[in-house]
Amino acid sequence: DVKVTQSSRYLVKRTGEKVFLECVQDMDHENMFWYRQDPGLGLRLIYFSYDVKMKEKGDIPEGYSVSREKKERFSLILESASTNQTSMYLCASRRDLGSPLHFGNGTRLTVT
Amino acid sequence: QKEVEQNSGPLSVPEGAIASLNCTYSDRGSQSFFWYRQYSGKSPELIMSIYSNGDKEDGRFTAQLNKASQYVSLLIRDSQPSDSATYLCAVTTSLQGAQKLVFGQGTRLTINP
Repeated sequence: DVKVTQSSRYLVKRTGEKVFLECVQDMDHENMFWYRQDPGLGLRLIYFSYDVKMKEKGDIPEGYSVSREKKERFSLILESASTNQTSMYLCASRRDLGSPLHFGNGTRLTVT
Repeated sequence: QKEVEQNSGPLSVPEGAIASLNCTYSDRGSQSFFWYRQYSGKSPELIMSIYSNGDKEDGRFTAQLNKASQYVSLLIRDSQPSDSATYLCAVTTSLQGAQKLVFGQGTRLTINP
């Protein structure tokens, strides 16, 4: 089974802090993704990566950046956290373009 | 028109009955279709993948795909209270250039004992 591990289940940060969300997958998948999920807005794609050191903007990249230094690890960075970034963050990976996404357990981030 | 559309529900079904969830998509060239189940506060969990027209069965779940009509559905037989969740339809689309996986808003399903 594919395992996607997110480093924190719950996180509370203050406005203006730099926040790192870590994600690791163990299936040698090329593709990795970061989504956020909010009530009534569904899943929204923040950033994705098709290869090491490669990144592409998703639908809502503003206020976020990513890092993929190793194939198995994809990090989401909130440069200066704001209250409107309070959300559930979901990391996912997949083998190739036609394959399903496998999600991590999610990180519920609260910015106060 | 949204790329992937689902009825948001809530859909209420008595225990033991068949629950029918529907999804329509706009990209006629879509090739990969997925159903996810998401319990409240949890992450989405893959239930079914379907790539060809017709039915695909896995236990109590059946996915149905009709590319000509651009819809995909999920049937849950002998519904159980533990099936109460939000069900997300996801479709691979190549609209706007890059191929990506687009999710519907989800249908909230409640199974009544």
